[in-house]
Amino acid sequence: DAGVTQSPTHLIKTRGQQVTLRCSPISGHKSVSWYQQVLGQGPQFIFQYYEKEERGRGNFPDRFSARQFPNYSSELNVNALLLGDSALYLCASSETFYEQYFGPGTRLTVT
Amino acid sequence: GENVEQHPSTLSVQEGDSAVIKCTYSDSASNYFPWYKQELGKRPQLIIDIRSNVGEKKDQRIAVTLNKTAKHFSLHITETQPEDSAVYFCAGPLGDDKIIFGKGTRLHILP
Repeated sequence: DAGVTQSPTHLIKTRGQQVTLRCSPISGHKSVSWYQQVLGQGPQFIFQYYEKEERGRGNFPDRFSARQFPNYSSELNVNALLLGDSALYLCASSETFYEQYFGPGTRLTVT
Repeated sequence: GENVEQHPSTLSVQEGDSAVIKCTYSDSASNYFPWYKQELGKRPQLIIDIRSNVGEKKDQRIAVTLNKTAKHFSLHITETQPEDSAVYFCAGPLGDDKIIFGKGTRLHILP
């Protein structure tokens, strides 16, 4: 049974550019949450999607957006990248909301 | 506030001894408390969780206790082994749409 997958694994972008990160949840899971993890800190909640609807949003600027597709996969978009957006972006899937299982993450470096 | 506070930030214990990590939460409506283990360069891994209708849950050498009155919960690891060295995060829901993580405890198991 495949776990949560994310792509790409690593990404290097320049300030001002835009990036799209992708996540495929565990089969049967309908909820996907996105987190940002800066080195040495805990994951910070960005979004939760359930059944293709946004259910929750964290304290991130409008440059961050996401969506969930009919197959429950999800994309996180970040526009106008800043140096401070450099982090590990984690996707977590769950059947409803609790018991979230994380993917391996996408490490984004903004130069 | 929205904080889940975690203590200590660093913990060193002798191999074979027990380790205890504590978290407090502010949202009295919180009803689900997971613990995650994150090894260097890897994804956070759900190791145990507890719902608010029970006071304690065990899984082999790991246990979690919950005190709803005092609004705190703790992770207990007994008979610690070298492979227990990692960063441990507690978390709790804020409403039903976001999960807030603590800042983490770096656990060192000393030989």
